[in-house]
Formats: sequence, C-alpha cells, structure tokens
Amino acid sequence: KNEVEQSPQNLTAQEGEFITINCSYSVGISALHWLQQHPGGGIVSLFMLSSGKKKHGRLIATINIQEKHSSLHITASHPRDSAVYICAVLYNNNDMRFGAGTRLTVKP
Amino acid sequence: SQTIHQWPATLVQPVGSPLSLECTVEGTSNPNLYWYRQAAGRGLQLLFYSVGIGQISSEVPQNLSASRPQDRQFILSSKKLLLSDSGFYLCAWSSGITGNTIYFGEGSWLTVV
Repeated sequence: KNEVEQSPQNLTAQEGEFITINCSYSVGISALHWLQQHPGGGIVSLFMLSSGKKKHGRLIATINIQEKHSSLHITASHPRDSAVYICAVLYNNNDMRFGAGTRLTVKP
Repeated sequence: SQTIHQWPATLVQPVGSPLSLECTVEGTSNPNLYWYRQAAGRGLQLLFYSVGIGQISSEVPQNLSASRPQDRQFILSSKKLLLSDSGFYLCAWSSGITGNTIYFGEGSWLTVV
C-alpha cells in the first residue's frame, strides 16, 4: 500500500470546469508538495504547504494536518492545465514519498 | 539564483553496460540531493537521497549506486545495466532547512536495450 494516496488517477474535464485532486497520507509529515509534470517529463513544484491554504493564480492548495489530507483545486480549467499532478510528502528526516499522480486532460 | 543541471538528457545503453548520470546544483550550499526514477506508466520512486558530502541513503535495493563527491554534485551510477533500469531519472534538490520547496532537474531518459 502506497504511503501517499491520490485520487482520481485520471480526470477529464471540459474547459472552464472546476477541478479537485485529492491526496491522503498515513503518518505525520513536515510539508507537502504539489508537483506538475508535463508530457516531456519536466517537473515543477506548484506549492509547498505545511498548513492552511495557498493560492497562485487559478490554483489553490489546501492541507488539513489533523485529517492528513490535501487538495489541489484548479478554477476555470484550461487545456494548458493538462498534465500529471503529483502529491509528495516530506518527512522530518528529509525523506520524500510520492503519490502515483493524477493525469488531467482538459478538453476545449 | 539557484539552478540545477542534469545530464545527459537522453541515452540508449546496452544491457550490461555502465551508467553515469550527473547532477549539479548552483547558487546554494549544503543542499539535500535526491535521485528519483519514474518507470513507464508509474509514479516517482525515490532511489537515493543525500544530506551531505559522502552521506547517501538508499531506499530501494538494486544495481544502482549514488555518490556525492562534492557538496553540489550528485552522481547516479551502475556497473551493469539491466533492462528494468529503463526509465526517466530525475535529480532534485531542496534546502537543508526542513520543509523548503524542492527543485527538479530536467530529467534523463534512459533506454536499456
């Protein structure tokens, strides 16, 4: 069983739709990252969270430490948002574990 | 500003041949360094991480090894590649301060034939 569970595994949306990707983890962490991987393989970090909520443009990330759960929201989705979104948790010893990723396809 | 470079970007190697992937970080000191692999259709898997020169932690027993000869240099090696070593390899770094964001290299596509 993966220590980091992501859902859904695949997601197809129409342009303009509100999107939510969920991430759950099993033990206490020091931080959680949301990453975006494009078809070429390159990965960028979207957010790093240790509590609360962060917003960047149309992207919003939240984390509930007590429930060990985080969500990534995309408002007014656009085809260029199509990518794989990966949740990663960082433990106190600097070890990092990843969810399996959510493949998002936004259709025009 | 901090940057991370990884090379080569792509390589095709025969089974049994050696491997060396190199990663360097600029603009920071004493970074935490990571090697990850992403096999086709699968998620990222942590292979090695290092919190300092000569300090390597291995997560998965395999025929790969890692070394950190300098503070900002991280090398992934193999003496004899297997077909199952094919995949996308990513180097990453984060600050030594726990909880800082992580930065990824461009990635290296390895095909073992």
